[in-house]
Amino acid sequence: QVQLQQWGAGLLKPSETLSLTCAVYGGSFTNYYWSWIRQTPGKGLEWIGEINHSGSTKYNPSLKSQVTISVDTSKNQFSLNLSSVSAADTGVYYCARCDYGDLHFDHWGQGTLVTVSS
Amino acid sequence: QSALTQPPSASGSPGQSVTISCTGTSSDVGAYDYVSWYQQHPGKAPKLIIYEVNERPSGVPDRFSGSKSGNTASLTVSGLQAEDEADYYCCSYARSNNYVFGTGTEVTVL
Repeated sequence: QVQLQQWGAGLLKPSETLSLTCAVYGGSFTNYYWSWIRQTPGKGLEWIGEINHSGSTKYNPSLKSQVTISVDTSKNQFSLNLSSVSAADTGVYYCARCDYGDLHFDHWGQGTLVTVSS
Repeated sequence: QSALTQPPSASGSPGQSVTISCTGTSSDVGAYDYVSWYQQHPGKAPKLIIYEVNERPSGVPDRFSGSKSGNTASLTVSGLQAEDEADYYCCSYARSNNYVFGTGTEVTVL
């Protein structure tokens, strides 16, 4: 049974850095890409980026300048840093497993509500 | 990359069918057979219900089916049930190695 459990700060001020971590329990960590996806009032669901076990990353071109995704294979965890946040970054952030062969998101974390407010 | 276009809402009575469209471009939906669909109930994470245009994960009822023609994909829910009332999102792999989601459709069971 694959489970993704995520955590991180839920309230940020403008210009701060959003940091979230997702732990993977069950299943293989090496055979998938691990993604971050957000759901904001302004843009709906939006893919942020992904990483594999060896640290290879891909980012959404529209967010690339703000995003860093990293991995800790010793703990089966991956993390998201989003710098210089603004109110437009307010929303629910999800971690998800991406099946690299079929390119879909088959397991999701519970979501973390992040609010950016001064 | 612009979001895929879905109708904001759709509805049907129990037992009826509802079809949701998802329109993209030749750089996403039209370029790949990597279209997936997700069901989201309020306050919950999205759940995968269709992948690779028309494949169902184990445990997803066969009332859910998908198709694609050109730049438009579709999800059909047959034999509507009360628990099918939710938001539905399509997603496509896109050129430039990224993914684009649809704008979402709220399905109401009358």
